[in-house]
Amino acid sequence: NAGVTQTPKFRVLKTGQSMTLLCAQDMNHEYMYWYRQDPGMGLRLIHYSVGEGTTAKGEVPDGYNVSRLKKQNFLLGLESAAPSQTSVYFCASSYQTGSPIQETQYFGPGTRLLVL
Amino acid sequence: DAKTTQPPSMDCAEGRAANLPCNHSTISGNEYVYWYRQIHSQGPQYIIHGLKNNETNEMASLIITEDRKSSTLILPHATLRDTAVYYCIVRPQGAFTGGGNKLTFGTGTQLKVEL
Repeated sequence: NAGVTQTPKFRVLKTGQSMTLLCAQDMNHEYMYWYRQDPGMGLRLIHYSVGEGTTAKGEVPDGYNVSRLKKQNFLLGLESAAPSQTSVYFCASSYQTGSPIQETQYFGPGTRLLVL
Repeated sequence: DAKTTQPPSMDCAEGRAANLPCNHSTISGNEYVYWYRQIHSQGPQYIIHGLKNNETNEMASLIITEDRKSSTLILPHATLRDTAVYYCIVRPQGAFTGGGNKLTFGTGTQLKVEL
């Protein structure tokens, strides 16, 4: 059981280049999230998904697109990278359980992206 | 989500218990207390959560006061690998809502475990 994995671990892009970050989870979780974390700041939600085939915007979605074609995978795309997108990107997945319902998010190890 | 207050930093000797406090005086009746930690350069890691009863798992214990306005995370035998930033988060219970069930991390407590 690998949990949440992210690919790649580190990437350097030039301004204007595109790339896709892959998040995979083997826990059969319905919900998946993409966050970014910048120095001195907390996590900020980019996009999320409540199930296969669904996506929705978080608080900082501009410049990013996502897709969830399979339940276990959540892709984050940068169509035209900008220096402001230099950050550490974390993926998370979660499930709901219990009565009353609770939700726990599990995070991947992160992808460090540098845009020059 | 209710606001939380944590000390910015704490030190603990290896092998001793680490007691990390959190104040959440505005917590409402339907909000859980969650604890996560983030070891340097790694993804946040879930530790434990609770509503009103004390909770224990293989990682830690969570003590919630009777009025629910504060809580304490206890690492019973801290090791060097427990050095991390610890975040106390209060979140509403209930089903996922359309607004995005994002976690809001504050500034947390930097715990340093030393020999």
